[in-house]
Amino acid sequence: DTAVSQTPKYLVTQMGNDKSIKCEQNLGHDTMYWYKQDSKKFLKIMFSYNNKELIINETVPNRFSPKSPDKAHLNLHINSLELGDSAVYFCASRRQLNTEAFFGQGTRLTVV
Amino acid sequence: QKEVEQNSGPLSVPEGAIASLNCTYSDRGSQSFFWYRQYSGKSPELIMFIYSNGDKEDGRFTAQLNKASQYVSLLIRDSQPSDSATYLCAVNYGGATNKLIFGTGTLLAVQP
Repeated sequence: DTAVSQTPKYLVTQMGNDKSIKCEQNLGHDTMYWYKQDSKKFLKIMFSYNNKELIINETVPNRFSPKSPDKAHLNLHINSLELGDSAVYFCASRRQLNTEAFFGQGTRLTVV
Repeated sequence: QKEVEQNSGPLSVPEGAIASLNCTYSDRGSQSFFWYRQYSGKSPELIMFIYSNGDKEDGRFTAQLNKASQYVSLLIRDSQPSDSATYLCAVNYGGATNKLIFGTGTLLAVQP
């Protein structure tokens, strides 16, 4: 069983479209994250939820809107996609503060 | 100053040598530190975590932490070509928070 799973794995779309990425974890963790990894491999934190509550919202354009329907799921919706949004988006979860984070397999988003 | 800094490399070492990877962080309140390995096209996976000053060993890997110098390192003994990957340092930023911040990663190449 995959601990943290994301769908889709690949997403190719045109500029201006709206798209969503879904994430689910079956580890019973309370905290979930979205990270963006650019072409230089830098993993930048975007959002973090703890028990469905948004607790970290880094300087991300408001075209990006996370949503956590329950503590096992964290989705990311992106409006009006831009070329610069092309990256790999990783979902992660962790049990509690100061413990390791487990990552999903990533979603490679390409905006053309 | 970036929150977590690493030398991007590439760091090239011959097979069987010791690879030394370094990381500095800016917040003195940080309490937990992680090393992740990421193969090309894959998601980050945890190698080691360290919370206390000093050394922590696990097989061929040793993590070293010096909170006074705000420095954490990873030593890989008897490096193998299969160790070739990007190594990401992560810091639980600001003490008891959920803000898990990553460095830019160091690309390690082990030459057979």
